[in-house]
Amino acid sequence: EPEVTQTPSHQVTQMGQEVILRCVPISNHLYFYWYRQILGQKVEFLVSFYNNEISEKSEIFDDQFSVERPDGSNFTLKIRSTKLEDSAMYFCASSADRGNTEAFFGQGTRLTVV
Amino acid sequence: SQQGEEDPQALSIQEGENATMNCSYKTSINNLQWYRQNSGRGLVHLILIRSNEREKHSGRLRVTLDTSKKSSSLLITASRAADTASYFCATDAFGDYKLSFGAGTTVTVRA
Repeated sequence: EPEVTQTPSHQVTQMGQEVILRCVPISNHLYFYWYRQILGQKVEFLVSFYNNEISEKSEIFDDQFSVERPDGSNFTLKIRSTKLEDSAMYFCASSADRGNTEAFFGQGTRLTVV
Repeated sequence: SQQGEEDPQALSIQEGENATMNCSYKTSINNLQWYRQNSGRGLVHLILIRSNEREKHSGRLRVTLDTSKKSSSLLITASRAADTASYFCATDAFGDYKLSFGAGTTVTVRA
């Protein structure tokens, strides 16, 4: 069964460092998303991406964040200068369409900023 | 915000019993989806119910949607220890690109 894959599963980084989280969405999906879940809190939307551009982003997704689809398969989230409060589980998701279709999530990358 | 809110926050049941959890939301939705998350792991998609649907089944899962009350319920029948997890509802609105998640219900199934 097709699945969304994320790497790495766990990343530890020093405050102020740049991190890139990687995702391979399901191959025939057109919409891609990043969400995050701070420990013990709700899953929060960060950004959606379609047709090689951001279609929607949340207030969390400030200038420190960027997304890219560098090739036909990968979808990345970059955090330029990490802060302690960026520590969270980051989930990538993809869907075939915007509405009326399921969004499938990857296993997540646990980011720990020290 | 149209975030779903699950009720109860936690549920502990005996294996073989049914587990029911509810989700309420604030604004009109396009779809409502239920997800399961095992401790510290990824989100597993369980079922999607559209705003014009009232009930859906998938295996031991039954989901209902009442748009007049802005609420949904997830029933897990004949629960198993492997059903121990957190369950989240997530809604999306027409024209929206994002899902809004609730805080989840933590279900513990005792053997």
